Amino acid sequence: AQKVTQAQTEISVVEKEDVTLDCVYETRDTTYYLFWYKQPPSGELVFLIRRNSFDEQNEISGRYSWNFQKSTSSFNFTITASQVVDSAVYFCALMNSGYSTLTFGKGTMLLVSP
Amino acid sequence: NAGVTQTPKFQVLKTGQSMTLQCAQDMNHEYMSWYRQDPGMGLRLIHYSVGAGITDQGEVPNGYNVSRSTTEDFPLRLLSAAPSQTSVYFCASSYFGRSGSGNNEQFFGPGTRLTVL
Repeated sequence: AQKVTQAQTEISVVEKEDVTLDCVYETRDTTYYLFWYKQPPSGELVFLIRRNSFDEQNEISGRYSWNFQKSTSSFNFTITASQVVDSAVYFCALMNSGYSTLTFGKGTMLLVSP
Repeated sequence: NAGVTQTPKFQVLKTGQSMTLQCAQDMNHEYMSWYRQDPGMGLRLIHYSVGAGITDQGEVPNGYNVSRSTTEDFPLRLLSAAPSQTSVYFCASSYFGRSGSGNNEQFFGPGTRLTVL
C-alpha cells in the first residue's frame, strides 16, 4: 500500500523567513513519481513539481527548492524568503508506476504573515 | 484548450436527492479520475477511468457511480446524497502513463463544492 505523510499540519512564519515542508512516503514500487501541489485560498490545485524515482537531483525554481532523498523516503519542499502570497495549503502526492493514480498527503497549511 | 472543466461550481442538495457532477477535458487524455477533499484529509480517490468504457474504484467509492462513454467526459453520480458526501470534488485527467513514460502530470479542474443538508 502507498502512503504519504505530511506531519506538519500548520506552519506559521513571518515574511522573509525560510520554511521547509516535510513529506515522507511509502511505496513498494521501484518506479514512482512524487508531486507537490499548492492550493491557495481560492481553492484550485496548482502543480509545482514532478520528480521520478530515478532522479534524485535536487531542484531549484526561483525561491522554491526540493530535496529528494530515496534513502529516507523523503521529498521535502523549501521556500526561501517566504512571501504573503505563499500562504496556502501544500500537498505532497505519490503516483505509482502502473496507473496515474495519486495518493495525497493530508496537506500542510502555510501561513505567512507580513 | 479549456483544460479540465467542472460543473457546477457550487451545489446544495437535500439528503436523498440525486445529482451528477460533470467533468470534461479537451486534451484527449485517456485517464480521468475523481477525488474528494475533506478538511484535514487531503484528497482521496473516488473512481477513475483509463479509457472509454473502463472504470474502476478508488479509495472511497461508496455512494458514487461513474461511467465513461466518451474520452472527453467523466460524470460522477450521487444516487442518494448523504451529509457525509459534503465535500469539494475535483476531477483530473492525464495521459495514461506507463512506467517510464513520464507523461503522468495530472491536470485538475477547478472543483465543485457540494453541501448536503
